Amino acid sequence: KNQVEQSPQSLIILEGKNCTLQCNYTVSPFSNLRWYKQDTGRGPVSLTIMTFSENTKSNGRYTATLDADTKQSSLHITASQLSDSASYICVVTINDMRFGAGTRLTVKP
Amino acid sequence: GAVVSQHPSRVICKSGTSVKIECRSLDFQATTMFWYRQFPKKSLMLMATSNEGSKATYEQGVEKDKFLINHASLTLSTLTVTSAHPEDSSFYICSASQPGTGYGYTFGSGTRLTVV
Repeated sequence: KNQVEQSPQSLIILEGKNCTLQCNYTVSPFSNLRWYKQDTGRGPVSLTIMTFSENTKSNGRYTATLDADTKQSSLHITASQLSDSASYICVVTINDMRFGAGTRLTVKP
Repeated sequence: GAVVSQHPSRVICKSGTSVKIECRSLDFQATTMFWYRQFPKKSLMLMATSNEGSKATYEQGVEKDKFLINHASLTLSTLTVTSAHPEDSSFYICSASQPGTGYGYTFGSGTRLTVV
């Protein structure tokens, strides 16, 4: 079983709407949890990084939260734009990086 | 911020030939670089960890003779796919560790390899 599970697998929303992506993990404790955005045919780009003790981290319209008790993280995207269409990957780092399978977000006009 | 450059972004080669992919850390020295393979709609799969000046460490199931990794300097690692076959067609991504972290947080832009 994967140690980092993401949901939903895919999501379609209308431009301007908000959405929340989920990441559940089983590994604990960890060094940090990162959210990456990966455009099709490109490498992942870091959006946020949180240490084990942090609860929230924002980067523009992206806000990541972390609940160490429930071992859940979420990535909230506000006022979505067409350019937000991409895969969003949750990565938990222990002594190596554990990747989630990603959520494929499609923003439609 | 840390920048990792990967080249080429796309390559098409004939079966049986070899292809070299370069990964460079542009503004920092990377003691460790990582090579990943990604299948469509799947997450990144670690192939090998490359340390400057020493042999790469390959993940289980990855053929070291097919995927040759060289990390000759602190800013350059190369992945050579030898005697490529159509099943080697994939998206290959590298990442590099910034000093003191040990983790490849910064990724290259990826290379789309198509073997015909």
